[in-house]
Parts: sequence; C-alpha cells; structure tokens
Amino acid sequence: NAGVMQNPRHLVRRRGQEARLRCSPMKGHSHVYWYRQLPEEGLKFMVYLQKENIIDESGMPKERFSAEFPKEGPSILRIQQVVRGDSAAYFCASSPGQEWHGYTFGSGTRLTVV
Amino acid sequence: KNEVEQSPQNLTAQEGEFITINCSYSVGISALHWLQQHPGGGIVSLFMLSSGKKKHGRLIATINIQEKHSSLHITASHPRDSAVYICAVRSYPNFGNEKLTFGTGTRLTIIP
Repeated sequence: NAGVMQNPRHLVRRRGQEARLRCSPMKGHSHVYWYRQLPEEGLKFMVYLQKENIIDESGMPKERFSAEFPKEGPSILRIQQVVRGDSAAYFCASSPGQEWHGYTFGSGTRLTVV
Repeated sequence: KNEVEQSPQNLTAQEGEFITINCSYSVGISALHWLQQHPGGGIVSLFMLSSGKKKHGRLIATINIQEKHSSLHITASHPRDSAVYICAVRSYPNFGNEKLTFGTGTRLTIIP
C-alpha cells in the first residue's frame, strides 16, 4: 500500500516557466491538502481539495497558482510564470475524509526557480 | 502573534539526555499533531492528540487542553533523533476541513 506519492521530488524552472506538481493520495483517500514551506519558514496551508472540488483555497496566492483534483488521476498544483519567490518545498497530504484517522504526508517537491 | 508557538527554536543536547519540546496555541482545536522532518526530507506524523498522553517507543506526547499547551518528550535521545519537530493544530470547529496550522518547528541536534 503505497503512501502519498509526489513527483517530481526536485524541479528546477527558469523564471517565467510553468511548474506542475503532482500528488497521488493514498489508496482510499479522497481528500488532498497542499502546503508550502518557504526557506527557513514554517509550513503554510495552501488549498484543500476533494475529488473534482476545491473546498478551501484560502491559502493560495491570488495569481498564478491553481490546483485541481480530477475524478481520475493525481492532484495537480500548477504555478504559472514562476518567480524566484516561488522556490520552496511543496508538500501534499491526504486523508480518508470520513472519521478522522490522521494525515499522511508525501515526501514533497522541492521547486527551485533560477 | 502566531497561533502556534514552539519553544525552543533550536536545541542541542548530548546523546542520552531527556528532551522536551513545547507547543502553545491560541485557538480552539480539535486535535494537535507532532511531526518530524529530517533535513531535505519528508514529513512524518508522530502523534495526533486530542487529550491526555500518548507514548510510542522513546517518544511521549502530552496535551493540556485547558492550558492550550502540548509537550513532546524524547527519552534516551540518540543522534538519529536529530530533526526538526513541528507542532500543528487542527482548529475547531472545522466543518470537515482538516487543514493544519503549524508552528515554526524546533531544530533538535543530538551530539554523540
């Protein structure tokens, strides 16, 4: 039973390019959370999704960032026209969404914008 | 002021010492998590607490809901315990939204 799978582990993008980060939740988990960890800062909530729905995007920057969790396939966090300040570790976590059994985190994607 | 405060920010100790990391929070919560993150690594959930005390191996986590305070203890510390320990809370009420609010972490270094 694989855990939460994130890919790629490391991603390098030039300023202005697009970054796509993928998260496959644990089997049976239908709720996905994305978090960002800026260098030397704590983790911050970005967005909470269920299948085909964005439930809470209160932590998402207003521009250039979007997220989806389609009926089939992984959740995608998309960053358009990346800037140096987007360099961070992006973590995904999943939960079953019913009776609370806790979180499972992925290993993260480390985005470096050059 | 952050909703979740941890202390100390950095902690260096000798192998074998008893370690305590503290977490205070200012919001109503339905659960508190202790997480571990190794340098460049992923995040591992150590404990989830809503009351009382939990123990797993050399790790013990306690929470006092009235005082809005939790502690993580490590007994007989070992260099492999060196990591960042993060406290995170799930606010109440959450209406099914399980998002977490995190402390800034405590960087623990255990010297052989």
